[in-house]
Amino acid sequence: AQRVTQPEKLLSVFKGAPVELKCNYSYSGSPELFWYVQYSRQRLQLLLRHISRESIKGFTADLNKGETSFHLKKPFAQEEDSAMYYCALSRPPNSGYALNFGKGTSLLVTP
Amino acid sequence: EPEVTQTPSHQVTQMGQEVILRCVPISNHLYFYWYRQILGQKVEFLVSFYNNEISEKSEIFDDQFSVERPDGSNFTLKIRSTKLEDSAMYFCASSEDRLWSPEAFFGQGTRLTVV
Repeated sequence: AQRVTQPEKLLSVFKGAPVELKCNYSYSGSPELFWYVQYSRQRLQLLLRHISRESIKGFTADLNKGETSFHLKKPFAQEEDSAMYYCALSRPPNSGYALNFGKGTSLLVTP
Repeated sequence: EPEVTQTPSHQVTQMGQEVILRCVPISNHLYFYWYRQILGQKVEFLVSFYNNEISEKSEIFDDQFSVERPDGSNFTLKIRSTKLEDSAMYFCASSEDRLWSPEAFFGQGTRLTVV
């Protein structure tokens, strides 16, 4: 069975501080992992995906297969980063690209 | 920028009634999805649809649920006889047909309240 765990429901940091949102997964095959973000009153949108190894809005995430983790990091948090962050796992193409979401972490960046 | 649109934004229905939630996916996308989020819980996958048929469905997607693409633009989710526990935010999403990691574009959601 596949599972995505985000252990923190709420994470509060000061502006300029580093932030790390944790995500662990369990899946026996080769997963594809994503971070989706939902800003206040906006729709869910893709932040980044592990396969493209990109940095978006200063966020990065590295897939660690040994620790089965895909933590989201940013060295200097900004107030506009306050949002709900969801880690999600997708199985290989023949699964219809269904996303299995974690419960989400609410990030609050305070001045 | 193209968006997935969902109507209505909020629907209240009586238990036992049928509801149809509507979605217009992004026009060149070929995969369509429905997800739901019960208040305070995580976003859960319901069903994916490709090439005019269901490609995958979750355990939640039982006989009470059905999906349809009645024309070239709409994608609907029907709940045949609603229960109180169907109250949730329902999200439609669509994505391109890619071999790896297609980005799912989500609609704003329809809040369904069953009374």
